[in-house]
Amino acid sequence: NAGVMQNPRHLVRRRGQEARLRCSPVKGHSHVYWYRQLPEEGLKFMVYLQKENIIDESGMPKERFSAEFPKEGPSILRIQQVVRGDSAAYFCASSPDRKSISEAFFGQGTRLTVV
Amino acid sequence: GESVGLHLPTLSVQEGDNSIINCAYSNSASDYFIWYKQESGKGPQFIIDIRSNMDKRQGQRVTVLLNKTVKHLSLQIAATQPGDSAVYFCAEDLYNQGGKLIFGQGTELSVKP
Repeated sequence: NAGVMQNPRHLVRRRGQEARLRCSPVKGHSHVYWYRQLPEEGLKFMVYLQKENIIDESGMPKERFSAEFPKEGPSILRIQQVVRGDSAAYFCASSPDRKSISEAFFGQGTRLTVV
Repeated sequence: GESVGLHLPTLSVQEGDNSIINCAYSNSASDYFIWYKQESGKGPQFIIDIRSNMDKRQGQRVTVLLNKTVKHLSLQIAATQPGDSAVYFCAEDLYNQGGKLIFGQGTELSVKP
């Protein structure tokens, strides 16, 4: 009975490198949400994906950030040319459908540190 | 700015006492609210939710109250235990958009034995 699995748990990147964060949803969940949490702050919505589709990316920075949720495999949040300001905890949640957000489970997060 | 905010950033209570964590929201169109608990190094964990057509909802040791007149939400934890120590967030589902939640800044609850 695995929940949402995120990896890696911790990721260190130098400025200018690429960061790839992976999220495997709960089995049977086809909706995935990515959130970013800066220290001492609440989570900020980034993007909502359904299998092979981006439904809402209104919280994604316009440049360097992209997300996908392929038919097979985990959802990937990709950050190109990372900068210090990208350092944060990135959380993924999944749910069986859009309206069942109360059933959404969050993963343990990936803590990205840019040095 | 954020439409969801919390009155107090930290709260310290004695074990066994009741805790009350408050949250204010600014958008009267918000339809659905959730309280989450986040322990250090972990993801948010769902505690309880409430829809805008309700004033009160109870769970196990927790109660959420919604006052739509003053746009205020509170989480009450009865007989607080050391395991309740965490940061608590209220989240708002604006316009019933499903997974696109707006989170408040959080209140850190510290339970003294």
